[in-house]
Amino acid sequence: ETGVTQTPRHLVMGMTNKKSLKCEQHLGHNAMYWYKQSAKKPLELMFVYSLEERVENNSVPSRFSPECPNSSHLFLHLHTLQPEDSALYLCASSQDMGTGTDTQYFGPGTRLTVL
Amino acid sequence: GQNIDQPTEMTATEGAIVQINCTYQTSGFNGLFWYQQHAGEAPTFLSYNVLDGLEEKGRFSSFLSRSKGYSYLLLKELQMKDSASYLCAVMDSNYQLIWGAGTKLIIKP
Repeated sequence: ETGVTQTPRHLVMGMTNKKSLKCEQHLGHNAMYWYKQSAKKPLELMFVYSLEERVENNSVPSRFSPECPNSSHLFLHLHTLQPEDSALYLCASSQDMGTGTDTQYFGPGTRLTVL
Repeated sequence: GQNIDQPTEMTATEGAIVQINCTYQTSGFNGLFWYQQHAGEAPTFLSYNVLDGLEEKGRFSSFLSRSKGYSYLLLKELQMKDSASYLCAVMDSNYQLIWGAGTKLIIKP
């Protein structure tokens, strides 16, 4: 238990569906992250929020839309996804951005399958 | 470009020692992290190195050589529960983590 929870743990959706992934951290951290993890590939950073402001958007397609209503919650809204978007989506949090010792703590991920 | 290299898979025997290597080329360096990830679970933090040398934490140790762009994770007295993927990540000059693809470690009895 890392203090970061994600729901749902598994999601199967069609290409025309709209769904949302939820992340909640109970660590009092100021920064939150969305990563995509595909088999045998490095973690891909998608979005970063610091103090509820988006500070990073790594050329992610617009069919992924993040939302950070407060420093404890992070959402990833999904719309008209493609089969190649099937992956494990990981949420992480850290105390603050911009420091070398800033350790990220991960949630268990949502396993997404797009049919 | 930025690059982190680590072996895709390694096999070791219960009770033995294994060393997982990581080499990196990044724009700047603000520390190197090792994470452990069991199948279907969250990556969990193992170690952080920012200065050259060895950091020991129980059965796990991590080494860094900044001049060589090289690190290793050393696991001693291997247990079956150590079967997992081990992820190497470097924090670059923008304080972003650059990740390797991970090393899957298989422990055999």
